[in-house]
Amino acid sequence: GAGVSQSPRYKVAKRGQDVALRCDPISGHVSLFWYQQALGQGPEFLTYFQNEAQLDKSGLPSDRFFAERPEGSVSTLKIQRTQQEDSAVYLCASSSNRNRGAWNEQYFGPGTRLTVT
Amino acid sequence: AQSVSQHNHHVILSEAASLELGCNYSYGGTVNLFWYVQYPGQHLQLLLKYFSGDPLVKGIKGFEAEFIKSKFSFNLRKPSVQWSDTAEYFCAVIPDSNYQLIWGAGTKLIIKP
Repeated sequence: GAGVSQSPRYKVAKRGQDVALRCDPISGHVSLFWYQQALGQGPEFLTYFQNEAQLDKSGLPSDRFFAERPEGSVSTLKIQRTQQEDSAVYLCASSSNRNRGAWNEQYFGPGTRLTVT
Repeated sequence: AQSVSQHNHHVILSEAASLELGCNYSYGGTVNLFWYVQYPGQHLQLLLKYFSGDPLVKGIKGFEAEFIKSKFSFNLRKPSVQWSDTAEYFCAVIPDSNYQLIWGAGTKLIIKP
């Protein structure tokens, strides 16, 4: 596809359930980012991949959050034992920076709205 | 800690009014600056960006922003808004050669027809 896609678009989970959120970046994009956006706030950085390497996971709020990108394309954000405070929109973005230290525009997916009841 | 402040959470204007949305950041070094827009039901998309050079940056749909280093500001402007500009606008910053976007809380803009 032409853009970043995410699935599911909406997810309702009961407290304590595990969830997996998928991101398909733009083909060939080296960098992939996950953000969390709570209601009424701007996005907050969760984690960053360059190809399959997770270079920064400093924004993951707890050890219940885990992200992977095993083949350097599709990424999955997993949340174990979901809590109500995990309710948010989870955004994925990709960018094509191929040069070390260079930065290119981040293209965003539509997000997954997670509601934990 | 680095942060981005957007002064207004909600702005309501009539069509043809002029727009200025404030954005200030707290970081003393080199920054890359961005405005993103999210139209109702759509993805976040880049409106304009500043890396270096002319501090007055022009973006899509008639928007522009001015980087004033001494004021740590990057305000977004449009001389005459349209109903279709109704959206949420986010200011974001990348400090130095980092990659993390640091975001403001967003401003919801409503244009009355």
